[in-house]
Amino acid sequence: ILNVEQSPQSLHVQEGDSTNFTCSFPSSNFYALHWYRWETAKSPEALFVMTLNGDEKKKGRISATLNTKEGYSYLYIKGSQPEDSATYLCAFIRGDYKLSFGAGTTVTVRA
Amino acid sequence: NAGVMQNPRHLVRRRGQEARLRCSPMKGHSHVYWYRQLPEEGLKFMVYLQKENIIDESGMPKERFSAEFPKEGPSILRIQQVVRGDSAAYFCASSPPSSGGRTDTQYFGPGTRLTVL
Repeated sequence: ILNVEQSPQSLHVQEGDSTNFTCSFPSSNFYALHWYRWETAKSPEALFVMTLNGDEKKKGRISATLNTKEGYSYLYIKGSQPEDSATYLCAFIRGDYKLSFGAGTTVTVRA
Repeated sequence: NAGVMQNPRHLVRRRGQEARLRCSPMKGHSHVYWYRQLPEEGLKFMVYLQKENIIDESGMPKERFSAEFPKEGPSILRIQQVVRGDSAAYFCASSPPSSGGRTDTQYFGPGTRLTVL
C-alpha cells in the first residue's frame, strides 16, 4: 500500500475566492502523479498528468505544481465557481508502476 | 468516439450469488483498470489488465474475485459467492497502448453499483 495523503479532506470556499490543497506521496521511486476531478454521480475526469519535478500544469482556472523531491503536489483553483464543486483526487504512480489514489479533497463552492 | 462503458450500472445480488461486471474500454484502448469504492472510502486499485494478460492484480482480494480482458469483447470482473461486504461501486478505466501504460491518462467509466442483499 502506497501512502498517498490529501489534505484537507474537505473545504468550503466562497465563490470568487481562490483556494489550494495538497497531495503528499513518497518522495522515493517517483514515476508520475495524476490529478482527477470527480463530480457527484459522475466518473472521475482526468485533469493533469505530471512527471517531472517542478512541473506546472494549467487548465483554465485550475493549475497544479509538482515537487518530487519533497513528495507533494498542490492543486490551485483561481476564482472558484460553483461548477468547481467536486472531489479532487490525486494518484501516485511508483517506479514499478504501482498506483495508489489519495482519498480526495472535496471542494464545495458557496455562491 | 464513445467513452468507457460499463454495464450493468446497478446490480443487485443475494449473498452467495455471482456478480459479473463488464467494461468496454474506449476505442483503441488496450489497457484496462478496475477500481473499487467502498462506502465512505476512496478509490482502491484492484487490477490492471492488457489484452489477454493480467499485468498487476495486487489489489484484488485473493479469493472469489477474478478479472479477464479477452482478445475480443469487454473486460469482465467476476465476483463469486458475493457477501454483503462486496457492496460497492466498481469503476473501470482505460488508457491507450503506449509505453507509459500507467502514466497515461485514464478514462473512467460511469461505474457499476453492486448491492448485495
